[in-house]
Amino acid sequence: NAGVTQTPKFQVLKTGQSMTLQCAQDMNHNSMYWYRQDPGMGLRLIYYSASEGTTDKGEVPNGYNVSRLNKREFSLRLESAAPSQTSVYFCASNLRWGSTGELFFGEGSRLTVL
Amino acid sequence: AQSVTQLGSHVSVSEGALVLLRCNYSSSVPPYLFWYVQYPNQGLQLLLKYTSAATLVKGINGFEAEFKKSETSFHLTKPSAHMSDAAEYFCAVSEGNTDKLIFGTGTRLQVFP
Repeated sequence: NAGVTQTPKFQVLKTGQSMTLQCAQDMNHNSMYWYRQDPGMGLRLIYYSASEGTTDKGEVPNGYNVSRLNKREFSLRLESAAPSQTSVYFCASNLRWGSTGELFFGEGSRLTVL
Repeated sequence: AQSVTQLGSHVSVSEGALVLLRCNYSSSVPPYLFWYVQYPNQGLQLLLKYTSAATLVKGINGFEAEFKKSETSFHLTKPSAHMSDAAEYFCAVSEGNTDKLIFGTGTRLQVFP
């Protein structure tokens, strides 16, 4: 039972480089999310996709773009990485929009921007 | 905007002692409330959720939480701590009637033998 799979698990970038974090779920869920986790700040929503073909901004979208490639996959792209984007990134999914927020999380991707 | 406040970033208890992790929410209407747990180097997993069906909510691993509207609180408790309970715990509230969760800053629970 894979659940939510994120790649890569670790990445080090230099300021200005770009990269894409990949997320895939095998639970036939409709909604997917990207959060970032920073010490003392909990988790903050970056972008979400309520259903295939839609994406919307969350609380902290600046500096990020997303693509809902298909029902299974939701990627997060950093076009020009900045040190402030050093964080742990979590992808999550739930069955459908409006299902009272029971999210299933991946194991996280730890990103360091030098 | 809705928010949750977790009092105490670190809580330490002895094995077998009561666990009490505090969470207060700000909302003008009864919200959906959640407790998630994060074990080291893992993602978050749902412990329990309140959706207005009952004020005392039982979750996994012996945890429970009580919704108190008069105190705007949703504290998490467990009668007897186990070493395996050591983790970080997050309280969360849903934004309006959406599935956008707003998380608290987390409480790290340490359990000593």
